[in-house]
Amino acid sequence: DAGVTQSPTHLIKTRGQQVTLRCSPKSGHDTVSWYQQALGQGPQFIFQYYEEEERQRGNFPDRFSGHQFPNYSSELNVNALLLGDSALYLCASSLEPRGSPLHFGNGTRLTVT
Amino acid sequence: AQTVTQSQPEMSVQEAETVTLSCTYDTSESDYYLFWYKQPPSRQMILVIRQEAYKQQNATENRFSVNFQKAAKSFSLKISDSQLGDAAMYFCAYRDLSNFGNEKLTFGTGTRLTIIP
Repeated sequence: DAGVTQSPTHLIKTRGQQVTLRCSPKSGHDTVSWYQQALGQGPQFIFQYYEEEERQRGNFPDRFSGHQFPNYSSELNVNALLLGDSALYLCASSLEPRGSPLHFGNGTRLTVT
Repeated sequence: AQTVTQSQPEMSVQEAETVTLSCTYDTSESDYYLFWYKQPPSRQMILVIRQEAYKQQNATENRFSVNFQKAAKSFSLKISDSQLGDAAMYFCAYRDLSNFGNEKLTFGTGTRLTIIP
């Protein structure tokens, strides 16, 4: 039973570029959340997708956008990258109803130079 | 807004001994979950233990147990018989369940636990 998988593992981008991160949820899960974890900090909630719609959003600018596909996989897109976007991006999946445990992937380490 | 505070950036413990990690939180809600997650160098967040706010009994998972003080808004993690594999960053997290759709996790800043052989 595959857990949450994220790709790529690492990537390096230049300021101003755009990036797409991908996440496949744990088998049977239908809800995907994205978190940003800066170095030495706890993860910060970006947004959550359920039934292909953004259900909840954290305090992140519109440069951060996402998508959920019919197979429940998800993408996180970040436009006009800033140095401050350098972080570990974690994807977590869960199964409705609410309150079910989140399962996290190993994350994508994004470095913006 | 809910906040989670972990006041111990680093802790260390001798192998086989017991250690307690502290966490406090602030919320005006009554329906929520509290969690402890472990993040080893592999970077994956691993759920250690979960506590439902409506339950008075403290959660226990093998060597891991919590001391949940709802009135004091305190949620500490006790690790008994510490093992080398317990070395990791530990994050306390809060999840509000009062409103459908508002289910994000709010994390503390973490405590780095070192196990001394």
